Parts: sequence; structure tokens; C-alpha cells
Amino acid sequence: GENVEQHPSTLSVQEGDSAVIKCTYSDSASNYFPWYKQELGKGPQLIIDIRSNVGEKKDQRIAVTLNKTAKHFSLHITETQPEDSAVYFCAASKQGNEKLTFGTGTRLTIIP
Amino acid sequence: DAGVIQSPRHEVTEMGQEVTLRCKPISGHNSLFWYRQTMMRGLELLIYFNNNVPIDDSGMPEDRFSAKMPNASFSTLKIQPSEPRDSAVYFCASSLISGWGGPLHFGNGTRLTVT
Repeated sequence: GENVEQHPSTLSVQEGDSAVIKCTYSDSASNYFPWYKQELGKGPQLIIDIRSNVGEKKDQRIAVTLNKTAKHFSLHITETQPEDSAVYFCAASKQGNEKLTFGTGTRLTIIP
Repeated sequence: DAGVIQSPRHEVTEMGQEVTLRCKPISGHNSLFWYRQTMMRGLELLIYFNNNVPIDDSGMPEDRFSAKMPNASFSTLKIQPSEPRDSAVYFCASSLISGWGGPLHFGNGTRLTVT
């Protein structure tokens, strides 16, 4: 089955700086790569996703890049703000939003 | 919309007892998922339903776990008998299934502690 590795497990950045989280996947048939944000005491929430026919997608301060050849994808957050502090999960699937395999999560802390 | 509603928020029980977790999905969604979250294993898909029918239960750890979806607005996850290693946060999520992707809408979870 699919295996998704995520790095780093923790990340601290100064407010206003950029943060990058990286994931690799094992199944070359995977074609859908969402990113979820989980705040304390809540369930994960989709923040951005990308499909395998696209190399990059951007939504305001958040962007995701995908390298199908290397089987890795990354989340980029620019101009970080305190409210960006949370745990971020990448995921991969070859069946759309069915059977997502999640990475192990990155705890992002924004230092004011 | 109230979102996905899970109950209870917290459950503490003794080993050997039966535990039932409940979920009300978002109205109109055709799929429902049960996930388990632990520090060691992260987020694991246990089972999912499409139009109330179980599609894939390969993530259910063992026969002590069972899930039902008697109608489009209600699902249960039952553990009988419970064991300390079942301690985790259990999430229910619902969505409109799509081969193109799209969000899973998660509830706020049930934190289960088995002593």
C-alpha cells in the first residue's frame, strides 16, 4: 500500500518568515495530494490540494508543489502569522478523496 | 451547517467494557469515514462507507471493532471488549466522494481512554 513520509516533525519559524514542509510518497499511481491543518482539540481541515496533472497551486499565502518524477510534494507558507501555528498533515491517494494515506504530521510553531 | 457531530467528546472506560462512538455526518454527503489518531501511528483510516454501505474495512484492527451506518445521518463505531491500546482520538469525517478529490469534513473527535 501507499506510504507517505513527512518532514520535519516539528518546525519553528519567526513570524513573517516562510515555512516549508515536505512529503514523499511511494505509490506512483497516487494522483491526489491534499494538505490538512489541525488545530488543538479539533479535527483536521483541508487547506489546499493538488492533483497529479498540475505541478503547482497557490492560494494566497499557501502554495503546494508536486514533483511526480521524484514522488514528492511540499507545502509552502509565506509571511507566516501566529494563527498558522498548528499541526499540518500531507496525504496521498489514487482514488480521489477515498482512502487517503496521511503523513505523520508537522507541528508548526510561529514565534512572535 | 453544524458540521460533522461526534459524541461523546471524551470517554473513559475500563478494560473489557464496550465502547460506542457516534457520528452524525453533514447532510447531503454520501460518504463517511472513521479514522483513529495516535502519536505512534498518526491518522489511520479504519473504515469508510459510501451511500451507507461499507466499502473498505481493511483498516479495522481486529474483530473487536465494528462499525455500522443504519442510515444516511448516523454511524457508530463500537469496540467490544476495549483494551488499553485502543486509547486514541477517533475521528469521523464525511464528504462527497469524488475521483477528483475534495475535502473530508472532520468532526472534533472522541478522545477515548481505556484504563
